[in-house]
Amino acid sequence: QKEVEQNSGPLSVPEGAIASLNCTYSDRGSQSFFWYRQYSGKSPELIMSIYSNGDKEDGRFTAQLNKASQYVSLLIRDSQPSDSATYLCAVSGGYNFNKFYFGSGTKLNVKP
Amino acid sequence: EADIYQTPRYLVIGTGKKITLECSQTMGHDKMYWYQQDPGMELHLIHYSYGVNSTEKGDLSSESTVSRIRTEHFPLTLESARPSHTSQYLCASSESTGTYFGQGTRLTVV
Repeated sequence: QKEVEQNSGPLSVPEGAIASLNCTYSDRGSQSFFWYRQYSGKSPELIMSIYSNGDKEDGRFTAQLNKASQYVSLLIRDSQPSDSATYLCAVSGGYNFNKFYFGSGTKLNVKP
Repeated sequence: EADIYQTPRYLVIGTGKKITLECSQTMGHDKMYWYQQDPGMELHLIHYSYGVNSTEKGDLSSESTVSRIRTEHFPLTLESARPSHTSQYLCASSESTGTYFGQGTRLTVV
C-alpha cells in the first residue's frame, strides 16, 4: 500500500468550474499536508499547506483535511486554463517523522 | 520564495562519463533530497540527507552517490553514466512548512 494515493486522472473541467482533487494517506499519525502544482517540464511548487481538520482558503484554492477519514482535498474555484497541471499531494510527520511522502499526482485539464 | 539552485539545467553526456549534479540551498535547511522523475511520471526518491555527514538511499535503487559535507550543498555523482540514467533529477530541501524544489537537471546520456 502506498503512503499517499491519488487518482492519476486526467480530470477535465470547463473554465470557470470548480475542480476537486482528492488524496488519501495511510499513516494515521501524519500531521502536515501539502499540495503542489507541477507544470509540464517544471519542478513542483508548493501552493497550499494544512495542518488541522477543516478548511483553509487561499484565494481560489481551498484545502480540506479530514484526519478521521485520512483524506485531503484541494478545491480550485473559477478554474482557469492556466490551472492545467499535475497536482501532487504530500504528507509528513507520521511514524517516519522526517520524511515527506508524495502521491503520484492528478493531472488537471481546464478546457476553455 | 525558496532559494535552491541546481546546475547544470541541461546536460548531454556520453556513456561511461563521470558526472556530478550540483545542488545548493541558502535557506539553512537540514533536510535535503534527490528525486528522479521521468516525463509524466511520479517522483522517485533516490537519496536523502537529514544533516551534515548524514546520507541515506531512497526508495528507488540508484547507481548514484551523494555527499553532504556542508549544510547548503548536496551534490549527486554518477561514476559511469548509462543511457538508462537519462531522466530529470530534482533536488529539494525541506522544513516543517514544506518541501522546496530546485529547477531540476535534465540529463541525457547518449
